[in-house]
Amino acid sequence: EDQVTQSPEALRLQEGESSSLNCSYTVSGLRGLFWYRQDPGKGPEFLFTLYSAGEEKEKERLKATLTKKESFLHITAPKPEDSATYLCAVPYNTDKLIFGTGTRLQVFP
Amino acid sequence: EAGVAQSPRYKIIEKRQSVAFWCNPISGHATLYWYQQILGQGPKLLIQFQNNGVVDDSQLPKDRFSAERLKGVDSTLKIQPAKLEDSAVYLCASSDGTVGYSDTQYFGPGTRLTVL
Repeated sequence: EDQVTQSPEALRLQEGESSSLNCSYTVSGLRGLFWYRQDPGKGPEFLFTLYSAGEEKEKERLKATLTKKESFLHITAPKPEDSATYLCAVPYNTDKLIFGTGTRLQVFP
Repeated sequence: EAGVAQSPRYKIIEKRQSVAFWCNPISGHATLYWYQQILGQGPKLLIQFQNNGVVDDSQLPKDRFSAERLKGVDSTLKIQPAKLEDSAVYLCASSDGTVGYSDTQYFGPGTRLTVL
């Protein structure tokens, strides 16, 4: 069964303390992997799309990487405003997205 | 460019009542999605439209949920009658539908439904 698993479920970091979030998937024939950020009371906000193993994309303090089995979202020197839930998703069948349960990140000053 | 609009933002109803949600996608986007997000979970697709036709409604509880997208633009999702387990955030998303499986989906702010 196609599945997306994110870890850890929750992560507390001190401001400036770098870390990584993991997204592993079992979808066969990967056709892209999406990262979204979701703030409380808001809809998911698009961050990145990765299409092939070895691909990397960066945006401010965030860098997303992709292997054949998983993706990492690296957060370098995070700030309190980076606090949010980070969701990853992969398409299956046609363009339906299956989402992970997310990692809830809290960054303290 | 205006984003995906949804209304209302919040709705509280009693079980067995009916409720409707409205979505206006990004201008020009052919594909529209409705998702249900239960607290602590990722969004789950309910229905997907391409223009005004249904592409996938396999996970829509059709005994109580219905959706339409008249004229290929705005969409309405209805629940009748509502159950306690329908309490969730209902998200609308749209994509331009030009590529297919790798289209980026852009989400609206969602409607938080509480069923008492």
